[in-house]
Amino acid sequence: QKEVEQNSGPLSVPEGAIASLNCTYSDRGSQSFFWYRQYSGKSPELIMFIYSNGDKEDGRFTAQLNKASQYVSLLIRDSQPSDSATYLCAVRAGNTPLVFGKGTRLSVIA
Amino acid sequence: DADVTQTPRNRITKTGKRIMLECSQTKGHDRMYWYRQDPGLGLRLIYYSFDVKDINKGEISDGYSVSRQAQAKFSLSLESAIPNQTALYFCATSDLDSYEQYFGPGTRLTVT
Repeated sequence: QKEVEQNSGPLSVPEGAIASLNCTYSDRGSQSFFWYRQYSGKSPELIMFIYSNGDKEDGRFTAQLNKASQYVSLLIRDSQPSDSATYLCAVRAGNTPLVFGKGTRLSVIA
Repeated sequence: DADVTQTPRNRITKTGKRIMLECSQTKGHDRMYWYRQDPGLGLRLIYYSFDVKDINKGEISDGYSVSRQAQAKFSLSLESAIPNQTALYFCATSDLDSYEQYFGPGTRLTVT
């Protein structure tokens, strides 16, 4: 069984701080890694994806991947109250659908 | 117009009734998926289809069936609804190369 683990939270950070969200996965054959943001009652929306070891930056968001440790993270700089949502980590291995973690709830306190 | 649409958006039905949830997409993607989401359990895959002639069971297919009527349409049926099928249902699509999934707005289903 392929597993993707996330701390359910809530993770509370003050406005302007860096939020760090973490994800581990069980399948060493995993090739692609995705971060989705989901507001309450809404559908998930893709915010970042990463395929290679290292960091990938997009605006205030940075995805970090360490395949040796089977670990992927998402950093949100200058966190805003509008970033308050559930963040879902998803992983793909081979020609199979994404496997999602249960999500981490982030709360940014103004 | 939305790229991935789901109908209905909300539905209340009674135990034992047959119900169909429909998904349409204009993204031109070959791959389509049905998920359910329950509080604390994340997104769980029910069925997926990589093309019109391909249907695969996901993690929790019992009690559900699907039909891929065309590249753009993928329907989910509950043959005899039961209360523990009360959940938020999402349809998603992806193309062959990127595997990024795009989600519809969801259908909130309540079985009484």
